[in-house]
Amino acid sequence: DQQVKQNSPSLSVQEGRISILNCDYTNSMFDYFLWYKKYPAEGPTFLISISSIKDKNEDGRFTVFLNKSAKHLSLHIVPSQPGDSAVYFCAASSMNRDDKIIFGKGTRLHILP
Amino acid sequence: DARVTQTPRHKVTEMGQEVTMRCQPILGHNTVFWYRQTMMQGLELLAYFRNRAPLDDSGMPKDRFSAEMPDATLATLKIQPSEPRDSAVYFCASGNGWGQNEKLFFGSGTQLSVL
Repeated sequence: DQQVKQNSPSLSVQEGRISILNCDYTNSMFDYFLWYKKYPAEGPTFLISISSIKDKNEDGRFTVFLNKSAKHLSLHIVPSQPGDSAVYFCAASSMNRDDKIIFGKGTRLHILP
Repeated sequence: DARVTQTPRHKVTEMGQEVTMRCQPILGHNTVFWYRQTMMQGLELLAYFRNRAPLDDSGMPKDRFSAEMPDATLATLKIQPSEPRDSAVYFCASGNGWGQNEKLFFGSGTQLSVL
C-alpha cells in the first residue's frame, strides 16, 4: 500500500515555463514532507522540504505547497531550466512517531528546449 | 566534501550467491537508511538505524536480507541467498537530525544484478 503517491510517471515542460509536480499521501500522521531530485547513476539529492505547520515554502525557483485537508503537496519550478530534467521524488515522514522517511515512486521531468 | 560512500558500485552475481553491500555514512551522522529502487516500487525503505540501533526493518524480506551497523562508520546490507527479483539499485542514506531537521544524504548506490 503506497502511503506516498506520485501518479504521474513523467512530465514534459517547455524551457522557461512552470513545472508542477504533484504528490498525494494517505497517512494523516505525516507532518514533514520533502522533495528529492535524482540524476541517472547518482543518488537522490535533497531539494526542499515543508513542515505541516506551513502551507508554502520557497527556495529560489522552487516552491512547495501543502494542502493538508486534501493530503496533497506540489512542487513548482519556475522558470524551468534544462538542468531540471531529472526524476523527482516526494517523501513524507511522521516526526512525532518514528521519523522514518517514506518515498513515492518518482516523476520523471523532461524540460524541452 | 562529506559524502556517503557505497561499495561496490556494481555487482553481478548468480542466483543463490551471497551479496554484501557496504555503506560509509557521513562522519557524525546518527541515522542510516537503506532503500531499494525499482521501477515498480520507486524508493522502498528496507531498514534504518539511529545511533547504530536498528529501529525498523519491516521493509526487508527477513528470510534472506539482513542489515547491521558493526560500528558508526560502517553499515552493511546482506542478501543470502540472492534471487533474480533482488536485482535493483540499493541506496544508503545518512542523516543528522531529529524531527523536522532530518534531511538525508544519499550515496551513489549499488547496482545489483542477480542472474
